[in-house]
Amino acid sequence: GENVEQHPSTLSVQEGDSAVIKCTYSDSASNYFPWYKQELGKRPQLIIDIRSNVGEKKDQRIAVTLNKTAKHFSLHITETQPEDSAVYFCAASITGNQFYFGTGTSLTVIP
Amino acid sequence: GAGVSQSPSNKVTEKGKDVELRCDPISGHTALYWYRQRLGQGLEFLIYFQGNSAPDKSGLPSDRFSAERTGESVSTLTIQRTQQEDSAVYLCASSLDSRTGNTIYFGEGSWLTVV
Repeated sequence: GENVEQHPSTLSVQEGDSAVIKCTYSDSASNYFPWYKQELGKRPQLIIDIRSNVGEKKDQRIAVTLNKTAKHFSLHITETQPEDSAVYFCAASITGNQFYFGTGTSLTVIP
Repeated sequence: GAGVSQSPSNKVTEKGKDVELRCDPISGHTALYWYRQRLGQGLEFLIYFQGNSAPDKSGLPSDRFSAERTGESVSTLTIQRTQQEDSAVYLCASSLDSRTGNTIYFGEGSWLTVV
């Protein structure tokens, strides 16, 4: 089955700096890659996603890039704010099948 | 309802007892997933239902775990003879037909503590 690896496990940045989280996947058939943000004690919530026919997608301060050849995708958060502090999970899925999640990155934005 | 609903939100049970956790998916969502999240850990896949197809049970950790789904509606996750290592948050998620590649939405989870 699919194996998703996520790095780093923890990340601290100064407010206003950028944060980058990287994930790799093993199954070249995976074609959908969402990112979830989970605040302490809350449910994971989708923040951005990308499909395999697209190389990059941006939504305000958040962007995701996908390299199908290398089988990795990354989350980029610019101009970080304290409210960005949370655990971020990447996931990979093949249409019609279950989602495989990375192990999470705990992001702390220092005011 | 507006979102995925799970109950109970919190459950404390004695070791060896059975527990049932319930999930009401978003109306119209045919795909339903159960994940387990231990404290400070990632999301561990348990089971996945898509419509009337046979469920993918490949993530269930032991035969003490089982799940059922009534049509394309409510699902119940049952843990028999609970052990302390079963303590975790059990998250349910649903999506429109997964065969067309739709986003999954999570419930708030059921926090299970086995004492």
